[in-house]
Amino acid sequence: GENVEQHPSTLSVQEGDSAVIKCTYSDSASNYFPWYKQELGKRPQLIIDIRSNVGEKKDQRIAVTLNKTAKHFSLHITETQPEDSAVYFCAASIVSGGYNKLIFGAGTRLAVHP
Amino acid sequence: SQTIHQWPATLVQPVGSPLSLECTVEGTSNPNLYWYRQAAGRGLQLLFYSVGIGQISSEVPQNLSASRPQDRQFILSSKKLLLSDSGFYLCAWSAPGGFQPQHFGDGTRLSIL
Repeated sequence: GENVEQHPSTLSVQEGDSAVIKCTYSDSASNYFPWYKQELGKRPQLIIDIRSNVGEKKDQRIAVTLNKTAKHFSLHITETQPEDSAVYFCAASIVSGGYNKLIFGAGTRLAVHP
Repeated sequence: SQTIHQWPATLVQPVGSPLSLECTVEGTSNPNLYWYRQAAGRGLQLLFYSVGIGQISSEVPQNLSASRPQDRQFILSSKKLLLSDSGFYLCAWSAPGGFQPQHFGDGTRLSIL
């Protein structure tokens, strides 16, 4: 089955710097890759997602890139702010039969220091 | 707009007791529904998913079960809880169809004593 590895497990940056989180997946049939942000004790919230027919997607300070050949995808946060501090999860799924089963990475704890 | 409700928010149960967690979705029809478990400091593990009333698929063998008695209601149950069942349980929904994002409820923090 699908396996998703996420690195680094913790990331500390200064406010204004960029942060990059990387994930690799094992199943080349995976075709949907969302990213979630989870603040302490709260629900995961979708921040951006990408399909396998797209190599890059941006939403303001957040971007995701996908390399299907290498089977990895990355989250890029520019001009980080203290409110970006949270745990970020990547996920991969094979969309079929009208649903998708997300396989999550273990998470990256991002700390943005003022 | 769509909303998802999960209750209770926290639960403390003794080993061997039964469990029932409920999740309901409003503002959409025929959603896909999912139950996840998150161990402390870990990622989310898919437990069950459902594409319709009475249709349940299990991902992980365990002493938990799920039911979908109504279109927008998803229930997670156990007859006898184990210590290893402790964790943060999250319900999620997505619109029908494949490339639909999943939206999570606020979760239930379950502690087994």
